[in-house]
Amino acid sequence: KNEVEQSPQNLTAQEGEFITINCSYSVGISALHWLQQHPGGGIVSLFMLSSGKKKHGRLIATINIQEKHSSLHITASHPRDSAVYICAVRPMNTGNQFYFGTGTSLTVIP
Amino acid sequence: DAGVTQSPTHLIKTRGQQVTLRCSPKSGHDTVSWYQQALGQGPQFIFQYYEEEERQRGNFPDRFSGHQFPNYSSELNVNALLLGDSALYLCASSLFETGAREQYFGPGTRLTVT
Repeated sequence: KNEVEQSPQNLTAQEGEFITINCSYSVGISALHWLQQHPGGGIVSLFMLSSGKKKHGRLIATINIQEKHSSLHITASHPRDSAVYICAVRPMNTGNQFYFGTGTSLTVIP
Repeated sequence: DAGVTQSPTHLIKTRGQQVTLRCSPKSGHDTVSWYQQALGQGPQFIFQYYEEEERQRGNFPDRFSGHQFPNYSSELNVNALLLGDSALYLCASSLFETGAREQYFGPGTRLTVT
């Protein structure tokens, strides 16, 4: 059983659509990250959350610690948003180790 | 300011061989973590190095070993390669005192074992 579950696994959207990617986790955490991975492998950190909501440009990330759930929203999606989005959690009392979700592959069609 | 760099970009090895992957952390960072990402999967934690010592380890066999140098760069060594070791190997750096709150990832090394 994976400590971090993401949905959907794959997502295809038309340019301009509002997109939501969900992440649920089963352990107590000290932080949650949303990461973006483009073809070729490099990973970029989008957000680090421990509570509430963060916004950066067209990206919004929210977290509900009590429900152990986080969402990543993309407004006015664009083909350049096409990538794999990965949720990663830092469990409490495990030092600096992260647990990762398997990722959501997003394709935005022009 | 260079971010995290890894070398080589791609590597092809045969079963039974040994491989060494290299990582240079972001300037100012002192901690290096290594992850294995199989195709279609999320990254799996291998181990973390700080002060030239392995501080934490994930569920990986002893065939996976590492090293950290005084300049904070790190190597990942895998012995007796198996086909299942084919994956993208990611290195991430951070500052130990801030924990993994701000990890910066490298571009990865894609290892293919034939």
